[in-house]
Amino acid sequence: SQQGEEDPQALSIQEGENATMNCSYKTSINNLQWYRQNSGRGLVHLILIRSNEREKHSGRLRVTLDTSKKSSSLLITASRAADTASYFCATDAGTGFQKLVFGTGTRLLVSP
Amino acid sequence: DAGITQSPRHKVTETGTPVTLRCHQTENHRYMYWYRQDPGHGLRLIHYSYGVKDTDKGEVSDGYSVSRSKTEDFLLTLESATSSQTSVYFCAILRTSGGATDTQYFGPGTRLTVL
Repeated sequence: SQQGEEDPQALSIQEGENATMNCSYKTSINNLQWYRQNSGRGLVHLILIRSNEREKHSGRLRVTLDTSKKSSSLLITASRAADTASYFCATDAGTGFQKLVFGTGTRLLVSP
Repeated sequence: DAGITQSPRHKVTETGTPVTLRCHQTENHRYMYWYRQDPGHGLRLIHYSYGVKDTDKGEVSDGYSVSRSKTEDFLLTLESATSSQTSVYFCAILRTSGGATDTQYFGPGTRLTVL
């Protein structure tokens, strides 16, 4: 069963706008990670946030984590057409060997 | 780029035939993983390895076996392929940096079609 559920499933915005994606999960975690996947390609690691962190930044990316609500959000500021991709959250539930459980993803379309 | 290659990149096969997918890494990482990706399911873990000859099952291991005789190669075998195994298969390695920030990096994927 999926640990994470992303919301929305699909998001369409204009260049320059901000994009926010949410992820909910079910069990306690060690960390939560966000990945990007361009169409037909492999996954690219974006950012990792540990369970004792609440917010993390990397360039135009901002990730928040609320362990009390078992949720995370990914904000992409000033979106570009090149940000068009699917975005997945993945959780490490601390069961050993860093076995990640992925959500179903948010498809982001950024139009010029 | 984590030095991961997968072969073949595309394969079409018939139901009942055996298929082996190969994942090769150049950075000597201890942990390797096989996932499958299907619409509406995201990525699901099939098997993983924590060292040479050390492997274990993931979430969706039925119908799959793996082998790791060398650090650099992790093989995924479908003993008798079924149409439900049509999917995109991704291999991953774990770059370790001390526990809570260890990160998986993915290969380019293999698209498998079982007719």
